[in-house]
Amino acid sequence: DIQMTQSPSSVSASVGDRVSITCRASQGISSWLAWYQQKPGKAPKLLIYTASKLQTGVPSRFSGSGSGTDFSLTISNLQPEDFATYYCQQGSSFPRTFGQGTKVEMK
Amino acid sequence: EVQMVESGGGLVQPGGSLRLSCAASGFTFSRYAMHWVRQTPGKGLECVSTINSGGDVTFYANSVKGRFTISRDNSKNTLSLQMGSLRVEDMALYYCARVLYDSSAYYYDYWGQGTLVTVSS
Repeated sequence: DIQMTQSPSSVSASVGDRVSITCRASQGISSWLAWYQQKPGKAPKLLIYTASKLQTGVPSRFSGSGSGTDFSLTISNLQPEDFATYYCQQGSSFPRTFGQGTKVEMK
Repeated sequence: EVQMVESGGGLVQPGGSLRLSCAASGFTFSRYAMHWVRQTPGKGLECVSTINSGGDVTFYANSVKGRFTISRDNSKNTLSLQMGSLRVEDMALYYCARVLYDSSAYYYDYWGQGTLVTVSS
């Protein structure tokens, strides 16, 4: 199975900040990576797929980049509703695997 | 509006069986591959099983292979997961998720609210 490693595991930030989260795959996955946002008691929500494609309805302050083994999610101008846990997921091969999550907390 | 509602979770003893269902609405169910994903505080998110749109191709995670069976009824817009020989480590919140297929990759664009499976004696 492809292992997905996210860093950091948590980050403290303030409204208006720029936040970046990284995700590393244990082997090359081309651009086949997605990012999800999950709030407590809710299901994950797809934000970005194929590394940089913004899912319909997702604000443009979310962006993704990377290819091969190294990827990043950037939230520019952090909003109150963005405090949540973020997961990466490789879509390259079965079983699709997720990172362990990065919690974005209020500073 | 796309909606998926899981049901069938509950408390079961180790070695027991449980059948999860997912009722889908708001989209043409028969056109989409579907997936079961589970989540635990310890192991995080784990893909359990997937089934193609026609229901004739399935995949299972090694951890559940031989114990779980995924199926679908496109006439009833329903996805199912038959779980047998349940173990403590199968205890999780189980989500059904719709597959977003982009080029050769699978992602999950809509999720249900989840159904909780508790395995305990």
